[in-house]
Amino acid sequence: DAKTTQPTSMDCAEGRAANLPCNHSTISGNEYVYWYRQIHSQGPQYIIHGLKNNETNEMASLIITEDRKSSTLILPHATLRDTAVYYCIGGDSGGSNYKLTFGKGTLLTVNP
Amino acid sequence: DADVTQTPRNRITKTGKRIMLECSQTKGHDRMYWYRQDPGLGLRLIYYSFDVKDINKGEISDGYSVSRQAQAKFSLSLESAIPNQTALYFCATDPGGTGELFFGEGSRLTVL
Repeated sequence: DAKTTQPTSMDCAEGRAANLPCNHSTISGNEYVYWYRQIHSQGPQYIIHGLKNNETNEMASLIITEDRKSSTLILPHATLRDTAVYYCIGGDSGGSNYKLTFGKGTLLTVNP
Repeated sequence: DADVTQTPRNRITKTGKRIMLECSQTKGHDRMYWYRQDPGLGLRLIYYSFDVKDINKGEISDGYSVSRQAQAKFSLSLESAIPNQTALYFCATDPGGTGELFFGEGSRLTVL
């Protein structure tokens, strides 16, 4: 599964867009990019995933570069409740060889 | 009620004791997982099961065993608990290779 690199921490002002970067230069052609977040010590929550096209849902947008070596998760209007650890995962959840490995993630702190 | 329920939520035990953590889900998903999280680290996969007759080791299965009693139930056992198994344990499900995992609230285990 692809190794991902994320900044350890980031800050964002409430109401502003939070842009969380992720490098996944070793991602293979059939591996997706997944984003999860974990608020305090709760169970992680799925946010979004994509293969090569940009994706948007009610929580966030995912921008994947054309070469698929990096991506950015965008929270368009960050709130205090978005303070969490965000995990970027490159992996393949299909087939018989399950590969979703959670790294250390990025601690996003949304400030008032 | 939570879709993925873990019991117990907190447990303190002594070295050498046998411990079972239970997970039950009402989502009707075939796939279930057990993860472990240590402070400041990401989640590491212990075991996973794609259906009732399927059990697979994850990256850190030594010292653990699992039982998939039914589609809805997946238990994690520590046959002889040791202090370095002190951690937060999460159960998760997914509907079938989508990568959208649904996590329980976690079971905090302390081994003295």
